[in-house]
Amino acid sequence: GENVEQHPSTLSVQEGDSAVIKCTYSDSASNYFPWYKQELGKRPQLIIDIRSNVGEKKDQRIAVTLNKTAKHFSLHITETQPEDSAVYFCAASRMAAGNKLTFGGGTRVLVKP
Amino acid sequence: GAVVSQHPSWVICKSGTSVKIECRSLDFQATTMFWYRQFPKQSLMLMATSNEGSKATYEQGVEKDKFLINHASLTLSTLTVTSAHPEDSSFYICSARPPLPKPPFSGYEQYFGPGTRLTVT
Repeated sequence: GENVEQHPSTLSVQEGDSAVIKCTYSDSASNYFPWYKQELGKRPQLIIDIRSNVGEKKDQRIAVTLNKTAKHFSLHITETQPEDSAVYFCAASRMAAGNKLTFGGGTRVLVKP
Repeated sequence: GAVVSQHPSWVICKSGTSVKIECRSLDFQATTMFWYRQFPKQSLMLMATSNEGSKATYEQGVEKDKFLINHASLTLSTLTVTSAHPEDSSFYICSARPPLPKPPFSGYEQYFGPGTRLTVT
């Protein structure tokens, strides 16, 4: 089955700086890669996703890049703000196989004002 | 759009009793819903895939007789934890996938319910 590794497990950045979280996956057939943000005790919120036919996608301060050959994808947050502090999860799935998500271990991001 | 609700938001039960958790898609029909479990400071682990009108598909290691899933309609899936024990205490979250894409997302996104915190004493 799919295995998703996520690094780092914790990340502390100064407000205004950029944050980068990296994930690797094992199943070369995975073709859908979402990122979720989860605040303490709350539901995971989808913030951006990318399909394997695209190498990069951006939405305001958030961007995701995908390297299919190396089987890794990254989340980039620019101009970080204190409200970006949360746990971020990457995930991978095969769209044609029921879209079961396999999650990475999570990254706890702290943005210091 | 794409709102998923769960009920109850938290529940405390005694060891040996059963607890039912409901997951509803409020503004769309979901032929497939997913149930996850999340322990403190850990990631989400998929327990089972719930398919409307058919049996759920359980992940390896998840006891199907202990975690009963019923997906009786296109907007409702239920998870029943039978004979609960303290080790079943966790945060249970469901998710559902809308049938149509919602820009800027790709069309395969899953939306999560708010979760149910189960404490077994």
